[in-house]
Amino acid sequence: GAVVSQHPSRVICKSGTSVKIECRSLDFQATTMFWYRQFPKQSLMLMATSNEGSKATYEQGVEKDKFLINHASLTLSTLTVTSAHPEDSSFYICSARDRTGGQETQYFGPGTRLLVL
Amino acid sequence: SQQGEEDPQALSIQEGENATMNCSYKTSINNLQWYRQNSGRGLVHLILIRSNEREKHSGRLRVTLDTSKKSSSLLITASRAADTASYFCAVGGSNYKLTFGKGTLLTVNP
Repeated sequence: GAVVSQHPSRVICKSGTSVKIECRSLDFQATTMFWYRQFPKQSLMLMATSNEGSKATYEQGVEKDKFLINHASLTLSTLTVTSAHPEDSSFYICSARDRTGGQETQYFGPGTRLLVL
Repeated sequence: SQQGEEDPQALSIQEGENATMNCSYKTSINNLQWYRQNSGRGLVHLILIRSNEREKHSGRLRVTLDTSKKSSSLLITASRAADTASYFCAVGGSNYKLTFGKGTLLTVNP
């Protein structure tokens, strides 16, 4: 089956630093990757849609300068949380859509837990 | 908003019993998907049902979709302790975006 990995799985950082999270599709090419965040016991909220070779599309209310997304290849997208603050602490999950046409299913990574002190 | 809304928010049953979770949404959809999430982990895709389908089966899972009522249900038969997890419905639009509901926390007691 399709596998998506995320790295790191857990990160603790100081307030004001930047954190990069990688999302990789391991056995398929992903034209589109999605980034979500999830607060404890809440649902997933879509942050942005990342398309290979083009700028990411951000959802309303998500600061593009704070959450930098780069989708440099068909198997890798990165999310950089810049100048992180404690309120950015959350569970960040990526998903990837198979490049094969008509695939509505998204394959999710295992998530990255970010704690900003 | 297309957001799905699951009910109940929490469900506790005994092993062997069936578990039914419901999802309602507000606008037209291309498809509706159900996912499972174990605590602190990523999501696992369970089943996708398209807007022109009414029922779908996969192992012990049965999903129904009623587009006239804008609702879907997920039935897990003969539940096991290992089925304990949060279950989310997600509505899929024409742009492949998914909008998730708040989830149902299912606890299956051995």
